Amino acid sequence: NAGVTQTPKFRVLKTGQSMTLLCAQDMNHEYMYWYRQDPGMGLRLIHYSVGEGTTAKGEVPDGYNVSRLKKQNFLLGLESAAPSQTSVYFCASSKPTGRSYEQYFGPGTRLTVT
Amino acid sequence: QQPVQSPQAVILREGEDAVINCSSSKALYSVHWYRQKHGEAPVFLMILLKGGEQKGHEKISASFNEKKQQSSLYLTASQLSYSGTYFCGTERDTGNQFYFGTGTSLTVIP
Repeated sequence: NAGVTQTPKFRVLKTGQSMTLLCAQDMNHEYMYWYRQDPGMGLRLIHYSVGEGTTAKGEVPDGYNVSRLKKQNFLLGLESAAPSQTSVYFCASSKPTGRSYEQYFGPGTRLTVT
Repeated sequence: QQPVQSPQAVILREGEDAVINCSSSKALYSVHWYRQKHGEAPVFLMILLKGGEQKGHEKISASFNEKKQQSSLYLTASQLSYSGTYFCGTERDTGNQFYFGTGTSLTVIP
């Protein structure tokens, strides 16, 4: 099993450009998450999904959109990139057992917006 | 909403013990602990649920005080491999949003 994979690993964008980050998991997990990690801020939840076709806003959703058309994939879109979106983005997935769940993280995508 | 961790950073010599604290202003259902090594993804360590269920890690333990909305991670007889940044994550008693703390950097030196 590959676990959780993210594409691309690195990207440089100019302000105003758009891009999509792809997260894929092969563990048949229901829940998927997108986080951003900035120095001194820890991990902050952008959007999450509790199942195919469903998405919800997290702590810092502004400027991002997501889609979960297939159970194994969770896409994060930036429509008009801004320098404030320079960050490391992590995707995670989990399979809740009752209210208990572990999150499995992908390797991250380092995004720089100039 | 974000839980508060303390200390922000700690340096230990091999074999020493450390405690990392995590506290929330909201009633919690669960507390998770993760470790992240530099340049890598966070890795799950353990989860503590309201009511006492705990899934543990071999040489690292934790406690969860539901009344105080606090959790502590205990690292005993530290090893070089314990170095990294430790994050607590909290799930509130109502709703299913999840918040990570800002992290505690732990460095173990020989």
